[in-house]
Amino acid sequence: GNSVTQMEGPVTLSEEAFLTINCTYTATGYPSLFWYVQYPGEGLQLLLKATKADDKGSNKGFEATYRKETTSFHLEKGSVQVSDSAVYFCALRDPRDRGSTLGRLYFGRGTQLTVWP
Amino acid sequence: NAGVTQTPKFRVLKTGQSMTLLCAQDMNHEYMYWYRQDPGMGLRLIHYSVGEGTTAKGEVPDGYNVSRLKKQNFLLGLESAAPSQTSVYFCATRDSYEQYFGPGTRLTVT
Repeated sequence: GNSVTQMEGPVTLSEEAFLTINCTYTATGYPSLFWYVQYPGEGLQLLLKATKADDKGSNKGFEATYRKETTSFHLEKGSVQVSDSAVYFCALRDPRDRGSTLGRLYFGRGTQLTVWP
Repeated sequence: NAGVTQTPKFRVLKTGQSMTLLCAQDMNHEYMYWYRQDPGMGLRLIHYSVGEGTTAKGEVPDGYNVSRLKKQNFLLGLESAAPSQTSVYFCATRDSYEQYFGPGTRLTVT
């Protein structure tokens, strides 16, 4: 089956520190991979995505590379800001899903990031 | 464009009471989803719809019902609320590329 495992939080960093949030997946096919971000009191927003092996998604200084050989999609940012404090979710979509699960996302449990000034 | 909106934002219910959560979208998307978010659990799919007049069960459908009478609206109903349904509920729509989430409804059942 499909599942996503991401590192336990919370993660606490000082401003300008380097960020890595690990995400690994299990999938029966070749999934598309996503990182969503949830700011306090808001819904989830798509941060970046990658649809095939070796693709790199990037947005707002965040990057993640789709590594098929290690089934990973780790999120990185070189210099975090206080405004990056949020919960980050790794997710996958299996393009072979049909019928009852068509188009659904499989989410990891989320990682809370807090950045201090 | 308002995108995806949810009503209400907060609600407190007593065990056994009923309520309906409304999700509305103005993006003309066919697919709509209801998720619940619980601490340490990520988001779990409750029900979904692939178009007006259709609904289907997701991962955790028990205790919930849904209706999609109009394309732009997706309603989530709790007929007899239980404390286990205390959660944050998110509605989402999708196009070919991504899902779009509403701001959430925080529900507490006492």
